[in-house]
Amino acid sequence: ETGVTQSPTHLIKTRGQQVTLRCSSQSGHNTVSWYQQALGQGPQFIFQYYREEENGRGNFPPRFSGLQFPNYSSELNVNALELDDSALYLCASSGLAGGGPQETQYFGPGTRLLVL
Amino acid sequence: AQSVTQLDSQVPVFEEAPVELRCNYSSSVSVYLFWYVQYPNQGLQLLLKYLSGSTLVESINGFEAEFNKSQTSFHLRKPSVHISDTAEYFCAVSSNYKLTFGKGTLLTVNP
Repeated sequence: ETGVTQSPTHLIKTRGQQVTLRCSSQSGHNTVSWYQQALGQGPQFIFQYYREEENGRGNFPPRFSGLQFPNYSSELNVNALELDDSALYLCASSGLAGGGPQETQYFGPGTRLLVL
Repeated sequence: AQSVTQLDSQVPVFEEAPVELRCNYSSSVSVYLFWYVQYPNQGLQLLLKYLSGSTLVESINGFEAEFNKSQTSFHLRKPSVHISDTAEYFCAVSSNYKLTFGKGTLLTVNP
C-alpha cells in the first residue's frame, strides 16, 4: 500500500510569485486535505477536496486555491506569494465518503516552502 | 468553534521516566480526538485516537491517553520513555471536515 506522497520536498520562491504543490493520496482514499504549518506552530487547515469538489475551507484568502483530479491526487496553488507564506505544507488523505470526523487523516511528509 | 490547548510547549525528561503531555479542548459538537507525532523533518503520524467507547485508548508503542469529558481533556501518558520518543506531539480535535490542532509539545528525552 502506497502512502501519501508530496512534491517537491523543498521550494524557494520570491515574493509575488506563484507556486504549485502536489499530493498523491494513499491508495483507496478519495479525500484530500491541505494544512499549513508555520515554524513552531500546529498545522492550520486550508481546505479539503472530496471527489474533485471543495468540501470545506479554513481561514485562508482566495489566493490559496486547489484542485483534485479523477485519480484523487491534488494540487495546492498559491498566488502572489507573501513572506508569511513560508511554511511546511502538509497534505493528508482519508478514505471514507466526505472525510467524516471519525476518519483518520494520513499525512504526507510535506513540502517546505521558503518565500524570500 | 473548536479549539485545542496544549499546556506545555516543551517537556524535557530523562530516559525511562514517566511523562504526561497535557491537552484540553473545546468543542460544540461530538468530540473526536487525536494525538499525532512529528519527528524532525517529517510529516505527522497518527499515535492514537478517541472516537467513542472506552475512555482509555492505547498506542502500539506504549503511549496511552484518557478522554475526560468533564474536564475536557485528552492527556497523553507513557510510563517509561525512550530516547526515540523525542519528537513533537500534537493534539487535535476533529469536526466535519477538518482537524484543529494545538500548538504542539516538544518532548525531549535525555539519557
